[in-house]
Amino acid sequence: NAGVTQTPKFQVLKTGQSMTLQCAQDMNHEYMSWYRQDPGMGLRLIHYSVGAGITDQGEVPNGYNVSRSTTEDFPLRLLSAAPSQTSVYFCASSYRGGPEAFFGQGTRLTVV
Amino acid sequence: AQSVTQLDSQVPVFEEAPVELRCNYSSSVSVYLFWYVQYPNQGLQLLLKYLSGSTLVESINGFEAEFNKSQTSFHLRKPSVHISDTAEYFCAVSEDDKIIFGKGTRLHILP
Repeated sequence: NAGVTQTPKFQVLKTGQSMTLQCAQDMNHEYMSWYRQDPGMGLRLIHYSVGAGITDQGEVPNGYNVSRSTTEDFPLRLLSAAPSQTSVYFCASSYRGGPEAFFGQGTRLTVV
Repeated sequence: AQSVTQLDSQVPVFEEAPVELRCNYSSSVSVYLFWYVQYPNQGLQLLLKYLSGSTLVESINGFEAEFNKSQTSFHLRKPSVHISDTAEYFCAVSEDDKIIFGKGTRLHILP
């Protein structure tokens, strides 16, 4: 049972490049979410999904897209990377009504 | 919308001394409350949670937290810390399937 798996673990992008952060869970959780972690800011919710085909915006959605075609996968897309998106990104999943969330190990992204 | 306030960004404490990490949340009819821990260069792990019932909840490694509805607080305590407790601790509240985090408290254990 792998839990929540994020890939890649580290990534360096140039400004303007695009990429997709992958997130997969094998616990059949309905709810999945993406957070970014910045020093002194805690974790801020970017986007979330309550099931396949349903996504919604969190606190800081600008510059990010998501889709949820299957229960297991919830990729996060950066269409045109900016230095302000340098951060550590965490994916999390839980049962609908949770309440407890399970986190991946994180992706450390640097945009230069 | 719910919000979580962690009053201290950093807490230094000597090894084997007691510690309290403070957390307050905005009021609601009912809440689920959590403490997550993040060890250096790792993801977040659930430390303990309050869902209902007894207001005092404990973790397997000696931490405890008490839900205080009148003060809207969920402070985390440990009677004697160890160097292995060095980490960042996040208080969180659940709202409509979303989990809202505080800004975190970095616990520094001094030898």
